[in-house]
Amino acid sequence: NAGVTQTPKFRVLKTGQSMTLLCAQDMNHEYMYWYRQDPGMGLRLIHYSVGEGTTAKGEVPDGYNVSRLKKQNFLLGLESAAPSQTSVYFCASSFSSDRGQTYEQYFGPGTRLTVT
Amino acid sequence: RKEVEQDPGPFNVPEGATVAFNCTYSNSASQSFFWYRQDCRKEPKLLMSVYSSGNEDGRFTAQLNRASQYISLLIRDSKLSDSATYLCVVNTQAGSYQLTFGKGTKLSVIP
Repeated sequence: NAGVTQTPKFRVLKTGQSMTLLCAQDMNHEYMYWYRQDPGMGLRLIHYSVGEGTTAKGEVPDGYNVSRLKKQNFLLGLESAAPSQTSVYFCASSFSSDRGQTYEQYFGPGTRLTVT
Repeated sequence: RKEVEQDPGPFNVPEGATVAFNCTYSNSASQSFFWYRQDCRKEPKLLMSVYSSGNEDGRFTAQLNRASQYISLLIRDSKLSDSATYLCVVNTQAGSYQLTFGKGTKLSVIP
């Protein structure tokens, strides 16, 4: 099993350009998440999905859109990139919560995005 | 009060030393607790879950104190390969699938 994979691994964008980050998981997880990690800020949740066809906003959703058309894939889009979106983006997935139990999340290797 | 707080470190310890990290959380209703490890420029990886009775995995011991709302991680006989940032992670609210990550404590094990 590949676990959680992300493409691309690196990308440089100019302000105003758009791009889509792809996340795929082969663990049959219901839940998927997109985070960004910046120095001194820790991991912050951008958007998440609790199942195919559903998405919801996290802590820092502005400037991003997501889609979950297939259970195994979760896409993160930047419509008009800004320098403030320079960051490392991690995708994660987990089993659904069960009777109060929250399951651990498994992370992809990350995408390093620079917006100039 | 921040949701999950950790001492950022860095902790610089010699090989073979014992080192302890503490973490405090603000939501008394949280029920799920984890320690993750993150190597430089890599993704976070689960180190261990933290159970109410405390749990041990080799050289690593995790403890939970619900009354004081803190979690600890003890590493015995530190190895060079233990050098990493350790993230304290708590579920955002009872029954929630969302996790809140601490900013991490950096550990450097020195030869």
